[in-house]
Amino acid sequence: DIQMTQSPSSVSASVGDSVTITCRASHEISSWVAWYQQKPGRAPKLLIYVASSLHSGVPSRFSGSGSGTDFTLTINSLQPEDFATYYCQQANSFPYTFGQGTKLEIK
Amino acid sequence: QVQLVESGGGVVQPGRSLRLACVASGFTFSDYVMHWVRQAPGKGLEWVAVIWDDGSGKYYGDSVRGRFTISRDNSKNTLYLHMNSLGGEDAAVYYCARETTVQSQSIFDFWGRGTLVTVSS
Repeated sequence: DIQMTQSPSSVSASVGDSVTITCRASHEISSWVAWYQQKPGRAPKLLIYVASSLHSGVPSRFSGSGSGTDFTLTINSLQPEDFATYYCQQANSFPYTFGQGTKLEIK
Repeated sequence: QVQLVESGGGVVQPGRSLRLACVASGFTFSDYVMHWVRQAPGKGLEWVAVIWDDGSGKYYGDSVRGRFTISRDNSKNTLYLHMNSLGGEDAAVYYCARETTVQSQSIFDFWGRGTLVTVSS
């Protein structure tokens, strides 16, 4: 199985800041990575797919990069609604696996 | 609009069984691969199982293989998860999710709100 190691597990930032979350795959997975945002009590929402493509309706302050085993999610100019938990997921092979999550908190 | 509505969760004793359902609307259910994903209280997301659009193929996560069975009834627009030999580690919110392929990648573009399974004696 492919393991997805996400870091940091939590990060504090202020409105207007930029943050970067990283995800490392245990095996090479090309660009088959998606990023999801989840708010408490809600289902996850897709942000990024194929490592760097922005899902419809997602603000352009979100961006993704990477290929192979190392991937990043960057959020520029943080807005109040961005404080949530973020997960990477590999869709290279079954079982699809998620990272452990990164909780983005307001400083 | 696309809707996925899960049901069937509740409190179940260890070792017992439960069947979850996910009713789909707003799209042609039989055209889509469907998944179950779960989330234990305060924990991260765990992929559980997938079923092909016509039901011909299925895969399971390591922690549920042999105990859980995913199925679907396309005539009823309904996805199921049959769960046997439940243990405390299975307590979670269970989400159904629709898979779409974009730029050759499988993504989960719509999710239900989830149904909570509690395992307790």
